[in-house]
Amino acid sequence: QQPVQSPQAVILREGEDAVINCSSSKALYSVHWYRQKHGEAPVFLMILLKGGEQKGHEKISASFNEKKQQSSLYLTASQLSYSGTYFCGTDSGGYQKVTFGTGTKLQVIP
Amino acid sequence: GAVVSQHPSWVICKSGTSVKIECRSLDFQATTMFWYRQFPKQSLMLMATSNEGSKATYEQGVEKDKFLINHASLTLSTLTVTSAHPEDSSFYICSARDLADEQYFGPGTRLTVT
Repeated sequence: QQPVQSPQAVILREGEDAVINCSSSKALYSVHWYRQKHGEAPVFLMILLKGGEQKGHEKISASFNEKKQQSSLYLTASQLSYSGTYFCGTDSGGYQKVTFGTGTKLQVIP
Repeated sequence: GAVVSQHPSWVICKSGTSVKIECRSLDFQATTMFWYRQFPKQSLMLMATSNEGSKATYEQGVEKDKFLINHASLTLSTLTVTSAHPEDSSFYICSARDLADEQYFGPGTRLTVT
């Protein structure tokens, strides 16, 4: 089953923060996060392995709660370049076969 | 970072014909590649897992005979849409997994069947 993301869409002003959530009905081995711009392929942001770790990448970080089968992506001090659709991808088997979430459309405005 | 290319990037074909899409990892070897399909305003749906030297593993609901996958080498996987119909029109994206288990996506191929 496809992981569910929330919110479905969000509009931010430059500099504002956002949190995108991803929830799965299956036990997870890892969670991936991607950003896709319109008409382009997804770009890999980060991968989190089971163990409840948190990762950061500049002003974008994520957490993974294995017990709750949930992950959250944190965007701080958003920039115009952050606009796009964010997908979480979940791997339940450890073989990197990723099931993509429902997506969250993020728009950052000046 | 690692680069994955796809060819062609855009193709229009007539109903009933077949179309081959190539996916190449340019600067790394990929024992596993994945093929996805994305309809407008929807998420990516995994179609199949392509393993070098063995048969592809298809997801439920994906017709093996319609979407032929060949992973002939460690840097090339091909997807052939056979007897294409308008409902096969979509954005097809491949990804390749490197030794560090990170996935890199190709730029996608937009297929339009008329």
